[in-house]
Amino acid sequence: EDQVTQSPEALRLQEGESSSLNCSYTVSGLRGLFWYRQDPGKGPEFLFTLYSAGEEKEKERLKATLTKKESFLHITAPKPEDSATYLCAVQGGAAGNKLTFGGGTRVLVKP
Amino acid sequence: EPEVTQTPSHQVTQMGQEVILRCVPISNHLYFYWYRQILGQKVEFLVSFYNNEISEKSEIFDDQFSVERPDGSNFTLKIRSTKLEDSAMYFCASYQALQETQYFGPGTRLLVL
Repeated sequence: EDQVTQSPEALRLQEGESSSLNCSYTVSGLRGLFWYRQDPGKGPEFLFTLYSAGEEKEKERLKATLTKKESFLHITAPKPEDSATYLCAVQGGAAGNKLTFGGGTRVLVKP
Repeated sequence: EPEVTQTPSHQVTQMGQEVILRCVPISNHLYFYWYRQILGQKVEFLVSFYNNEISEKSEIFDDQFSVERPDGSNFTLKIRSTKLEDSAMYFCASYQALQETQYFGPGTRLLVL
């Protein structure tokens, strides 16, 4: 069974204070690791897909990296509008095409 | 930019009543999903649908649940006899091909009283 664990559960940052979120996973045959952003009461909004260890993707102040056991989402010089819950999900080869989600990291960026 | 849409945004129902949640996936997508998120908990998979049939379902998706693609654009989730524990946000997702991104709709918040 695929499992995803995210840490920390919550993160309070000052504007401009860079930090990293962790996503640890166990999966039988990783087909893709996905990062989503979720605002309160809204659906997950796609950020990145990573397919193999060593891969990196960037978008504005966000950078996602992938190893064989975990992924990191780095937030560089965050702004208050980066406040959200960040979700990590895996798609495993043995589990069909469904996504298995972690519990998310709630990020609050204070001005 | 194409997006997944869902209706209604909120639904309040009495325990034991039937509800139908509606989704319009992105037009050229072939794979359709329902997920749910109970308040404060993880997003969890319910069912996947491809080529007009269920391709995978979770333990949650019991006989009280059904899915249908009644026409070329809509994808529905029916709960026949709602329970208190069905209260959650229900998300529809779709994608075009394997190993591509699943795009999520804004969700339907279901409250069962």
